[in-house]
Amino acid sequence: AQTVTQSQPEMSVQEAETVTLSCTYDTSESDYYLFWYKQPPSRQMILVIRQEAYKQQNATENRFSVNFQKAAKSFSLKISDSQLGDAAMYFCAYKGNKLVFGAGTILRVKS
Amino acid sequence: EAGVAQSPRYKIIEKRQSVAFWCNPISGHATLYWYQQILGQGPKLLIQFQNNGVVDDSQLPKDRFSAERLKGVDSTLKIQPAKLEDSAVYLCASSPRWGNTEAFFGQGTRLTVV
Repeated sequence: AQTVTQSQPEMSVQEAETVTLSCTYDTSESDYYLFWYKQPPSRQMILVIRQEAYKQQNATENRFSVNFQKAAKSFSLKISDSQLGDAAMYFCAYKGNKLVFGAGTILRVKS
Repeated sequence: EAGVAQSPRYKIIEKRQSVAFWCNPISGHATLYWYQQILGQGPKLLIQFQNNGVVDDSQLPKDRFSAERLKGVDSTLKIQPAKLEDSAVYLCASSPRWGNTEAFFGQGTRLTVV
């Protein structure tokens, strides 16, 4: 069975600084996708970034980038130049035969 | 493009009552998911449809929960009878193809069982 583990229940970052959220996963599938979703208090899930497992190059979307280590089954999210609007719950998700989510990390941004 | 539509947004019921949630996915999306998200936790997959067939329902409490997807489009999730521990947000999501691209989420239905 596929599992996703986020070991940081909560993280804090100062505005304009950089923070990294951790995620590991377990799977026996060879073809899959990985995602980071953001969920603000409104509960609307918003896609932040995605990574295809067959691509070695790490995905980047503006201030958001990932460090994908396939052999280690690790998929961390780096947020640069943090902004107050980045404060939310962040979920790591694995998509193979099923779409499975981690427990989430609450990100707080201090001004 | 219209997003995933869910209704109702909020529902309060007493335990042992029944309740139904409705989801209309993005047009043309073959895969539809129902998740249960308890406050402070990650979404738990209840059931996944590919068109109108069930791909996975291993975590669906089948003694009280049921779901269907008519004609491979809209879907309903029903709980009968509800328990206090069913209080959660129920999220519906859809994606264009099985195993490819991200899932798009609706705004969810917040269920409170009293």
